[in-house]
Amino acid sequence: EVQLVESGGGLVQPGGSLRLSCAASGFTFSSYWMSWVRQAPGKGLEWVANIKQDGSEKYYVDSVKGRFTISRDNAKNSLYLQMNSLRAEDTAVYYCARDRTPQRDRPGDDAFDIWGQGTMVTVSS
Amino acid sequence: SYVLTQPPSVSVAPGKTARITCGGNNIGSKSVHWYQQKPGQAPVLVIYYDSDRPSGIPERFSGSNSGNTATLTISRVEAGDEADYYCQVWDSSSDIRVFGGGTKLTVL
Repeated sequence: EVQLVESGGGLVQPGGSLRLSCAASGFTFSSYWMSWVRQAPGKGLEWVANIKQDGSEKYYVDSVKGRFTISRDNAKNSLYLQMNSLRAEDTAVYYCARDRTPQRDRPGDDAFDIWGQGTMVTVSS
Repeated sequence: SYVLTQPPSVSVAPGKTARITCGGNNIGSKSVHWYQQKPGQAPVLVIYYDSDRPSGIPERFSGSNSGNTATLTISRVEAGDEADYYCQVWDSSSDIRVFGGGTKLTVL
């Protein structure tokens, strides 16, 4: 079964750090662009970052540039999001998501066809 | 950055047709994807590349895209279609993915 399972969420103080993980199974993880998407409580979806199959390209939404780092370990079939200098507005459910098409060279206009169940991050004192 | 505009809510009676719009500057030149999200669940892809349906998505779901508006159409609406729906595109000028604000579909 194709599956993504996030972990690592929790309560953290403003200015703190947290590392999210996403474990992939049931497909060739190293063939796909992967993304993190978040959803603040009661709000809509916001794309956060994505990473190329080999980790050589990464893109971020402006609001997290310089604070968040996306990475992956293809040997462990895992995606990560290192979040530093956290703010209250980073409070959200964080989903990892897979691009639909394997082996794409450019990030392009692909859809997200597989999503994890999400992990909650709360930034509060 | 590129902005996608969706109506906050759409209501429809069972058995009727629901149309959810997604507005953007010359969105017809972009590929639009649509997601369904039910409370407490992760989003599910229902339409990709404007009008293609993933396997397992009923034929009642269809999409179109032209000019400044993309549309998700749900025919013969059922109670189980009640959910939030999001459109999404790729902003090629900055290589980022953009979501619309979402539309809550209520089945009366």
